[in-house]
Amino acid sequence: DAKTTQPPSMDCAEGRAANLPCNHSTISGNEYVYWYRQIHSQGPQYIIHGLKNNETNEMASLIITEDRKSSTLILPHATLRDTAVYYCIVRVAHLSSRLTFGEGTQLTVNP
Amino acid sequence: NAGVTQTPKFQVLKTGQSMTLQCAQDMNHNSMYWYRQDPGMGLRLIYYSASEGTTDKGEVPNGYNVSRLNKREFSLRLESAAPSQTSVYFCASRTGRLIYMNTEAFFGQGTRLTVV
Repeated sequence: DAKTTQPPSMDCAEGRAANLPCNHSTISGNEYVYWYRQIHSQGPQYIIHGLKNNETNEMASLIITEDRKSSTLILPHATLRDTAVYYCIVRVAHLSSRLTFGEGTQLTVNP
Repeated sequence: NAGVTQTPKFQVLKTGQSMTLQCAQDMNHNSMYWYRQDPGMGLRLIYYSASEGTTDKGEVPNGYNVSRLNKREFSLRLESAAPSQTSVYFCASRTGRLIYMNTEAFFGQGTRLTVV
């Protein structure tokens, strides 16, 4: 699985959009980009994933660059409850079941 | 629908004691995972099971053993606990098979283990 790089921490004002970047410059053509988050002391929670096209669901939007070497998770209207560690994961959609996490980004939403 | 259930939620062990962490999922998932998380760090994969009857080492398997008892249950055993195994342990499951893994993982709420 390709390695990802995320900033260790970010701040965002409540009600504003939070844009969390992820670099995955060694991504392969058959690897998906996944985002999870972990709210303090709880189990991680799936947010969204994508391959090439931008994706949107009720929680967030995922923007993947055309060369697929980086992506951005967007929380359109961040709330205090979005304060969490956000993990970007790149993995192949088949072969191994292995699922590994990096350090993630601590997002703090401020009032 | 309980999802992924871990027991116990909290445990204190003395060095050298053994114990088994239990994990069960009711979503008919094929793959199950055990992670540990230490303060200020991300999740590290200990062991995983791609399907019933198979297990594989993850990033940090030393000091642990696992059993995929059936499709629902995946247990993690510490044979001789050490203070370095003080951590929060998370179990997860997902539907993926070896040829189709593009599905989200669901996590339990964690087991907080302290070894003194």
